[in-house]
Amino acid sequence: QKEVEQNSGPLSVPEGAIASLNCTYSDRVSQSFFWYRQYSGKSPELIMSIYSNGDKEDGRFTAQLNKASQYVSLLIRDSQPSDSATYLCAVNAWYGGSQGNLIFGKGTKLSVKP
Amino acid sequence: DGGITQSPKYLFRKEGQNVTLSCEQNLNHDAMYWYRQDPGQGLRLIYYSQIVNDFQKGDIAEGYSVSREKKESFPLTVTSAQKNPTAFYLCASSPPGRAVEQYFGPGTRLTVT
Repeated sequence: QKEVEQNSGPLSVPEGAIASLNCTYSDRVSQSFFWYRQYSGKSPELIMSIYSNGDKEDGRFTAQLNKASQYVSLLIRDSQPSDSATYLCAVNAWYGGSQGNLIFGKGTKLSVKP
Repeated sequence: DGGITQSPKYLFRKEGQNVTLSCEQNLNHDAMYWYRQDPGQGLRLIYYSQIVNDFQKGDIAEGYSVSREKKESFPLTVTSAQKNPTAFYLCASSPPGRAVEQYFGPGTRLTVT
């Protein structure tokens, strides 16, 4: 059973701090990794994708990937109250002959306190 | 405006009734997906379709059916055989050549009593 694990939180950080969200996955052949942000009652929004080992930065967000350790993380710098949401980690999986399917973690709830 | 639309936003049904959830996209995406989300749970794949007139079962297809007669549309029917139909249903689609990159519609919250 392919799995994606996340700490459910809640993770609470003060405004302006760095929030660090972590995710591990079980399928060694996974090649594509994504972070989605989901506000309460809303649908997930794709915020970051990463395909190679190392760091990828986009504004205040940095995704980090370590395939050897099967670990992907999301750093949010200068956290704002508007970043308060649940963050879902998703990893691609071979499924029915297609690599286009994603396995989602249950999400980490982030709370940024003013 | 390009995007993925789902309707209705909220849906209420009595137990034993079939109900069809709409998903439409005008992004020229090939692949489309249906997920359900329950409180405290990750997204679980119900059905997916990579091309018109073809679709595959996901992890939890029992009690659901789909069709893909047009590229733009991928409706999901929740049948009376689905034991726990109350959930948040999410439709997603992927751009051509980027099948793993999924974008979600706003979702339909279904309540069955």
